[in-house]
Amino acid sequence: EVQLVQSGAEVKKAGESLKISCKGSGYIFTNYWIGWVRQMPGKGLEWMGIIYPGDSDIKYSPSFQGQVTISADKSINTAHLQWSSLKASDTAMYYCGRWGDSSGYADFWGQGTLVTVSS
Amino acid sequence: DIQMTQSPSTLSASVGDRVTITCRASQSISDWLAWYQQKPGKAPRLLIYKASTLEGAVPSRFSGAGSGTDFTLTISSLQPDDFATYYCQQYNTYNTFGQGTKLEIK
Repeated sequence: EVQLVQSGAEVKKAGESLKISCKGSGYIFTNYWIGWVRQMPGKGLEWMGIIYPGDSDIKYSPSFQGQVTISADKSINTAHLQWSSLKASDTAMYYCGRWGDSSGYADFWGQGTLVTVSS
Repeated sequence: DIQMTQSPSTLSASVGDRVTITCRASQSISDWLAWYQQKPGKAPRLLIYKASTLEGAVPSRFSGAGSGTDFTLTISSLQPDDFATYYCQQYNTYNTFGQGTKLEIK
């Protein structure tokens, strides 16, 4: 059974750093892309970027380039999304998904990680 | 960047109704379009890809159509479980989501 399990909710202060994770199981992790999607409170879905764990090829949405860092550790089937200095506007639910291609659709999703940043 | 515009933003309907949601792309995306359903507090669920291909286990009352710039998602007979928010997503060039359509009980 394909599963993506994300790390737990985080409460942080503005200016702090953060790294959240998404662990894949039930499939060959290095054969699929992992994408990240932001959902701000009461708002829609925003595609942030995507990584291919097989060779760490990464593509960012222009809106998120330079704001976050996407990485993956294929030895533990885990992708990461990190911030070096959080802002209050980073408060959102973050979802990871399994993509068949960097331009593709997500057929499986993690349960989401809620990040709350206080100013 | 390719922009995706959904209409309406909110749709009120009753169980048994036939409903259609529209998604328009700012430029041609061929049939590289997916539809997702999202319920409150839950992750999105893939319903349709390549504009009209139903994902496995998705009920046949859901259907998708369109190509180029104009697409539709139709639910032939609304069931109580279908009240949710629906998003289109283009994947012709990277990925862009529409702003969502909330399907409410009338």
